[in-house]
Amino acid sequence: GQQLNQSPQSMFIQEGEDVSMNCTSSSIFNTWLWYKQDPGEGPVLLIALYKAGELTSNGRLTAQFGITRKDSFLNISASIPSDVGIYFCAGPSNTGNQFYFGTGTSLTVIP
Amino acid sequence: DVKVTQSSRYLVKRTGEKVFLECVQDMDHENMFWYRQDPGLGLRLIYFSYDVKMKEKGDIPEGYSVSREKKERFSLILESASTNQTSMYLCASSLWTGPDTQYFGPGTRLTVL
Repeated sequence: GQQLNQSPQSMFIQEGEDVSMNCTSSSIFNTWLWYKQDPGEGPVLLIALYKAGELTSNGRLTAQFGITRKDSFLNISASIPSDVGIYFCAGPSNTGNQFYFGTGTSLTVIP
Repeated sequence: DVKVTQSSRYLVKRTGEKVFLECVQDMDHENMFWYRQDPGLGLRLIYFSYDVKMKEKGDIPEGYSVSREKKERFSLILESASTNQTSMYLCASSLWTGPDTQYFGPGTRLTVL
């Protein structure tokens, strides 16, 4: 299957700091998705991106679809304790009925 | 709201046992998926199903089988559990169209002793 690499693998930040993470692929995607997994729960969709260069916001979260279609970025501004969790990028297969997930970025916010 | 439920949150089994993990969704979704989640490896697809009685292998199907007798239910079967199958198992469902409509269950943490 497709390999999506996320970096960093983990982050420890102070409350109020901004966060940046990225996801890269060896091949092109036409859609990029960002999910968050709270501790002990399943992932939940945060943002979906459909067009190269697209910048989309959802509250304090902003995600960008890379121009090359092989990468995507997620930024969180003014982090708060409830931002703790694992963030995954994902992209669908050409048929749209399979999803490839990144390795995840674990975020810890220190109050 | 879409609800995807999994039969157990935590499960402890012994090596060699047959293990059934059940997943039910209530939104009439065509597609259902089973993933396993391991630290540093993200989510890896085991099997998926796009219709009743239909199944497709994902990236890591070895040691697993699945069953989909009804649209709302997708079962993952470990015929003979092994310690390397200790993991978090996540079920998801989605509509046939639209890649952004995948919904996950809460997960089952399986420990094989």
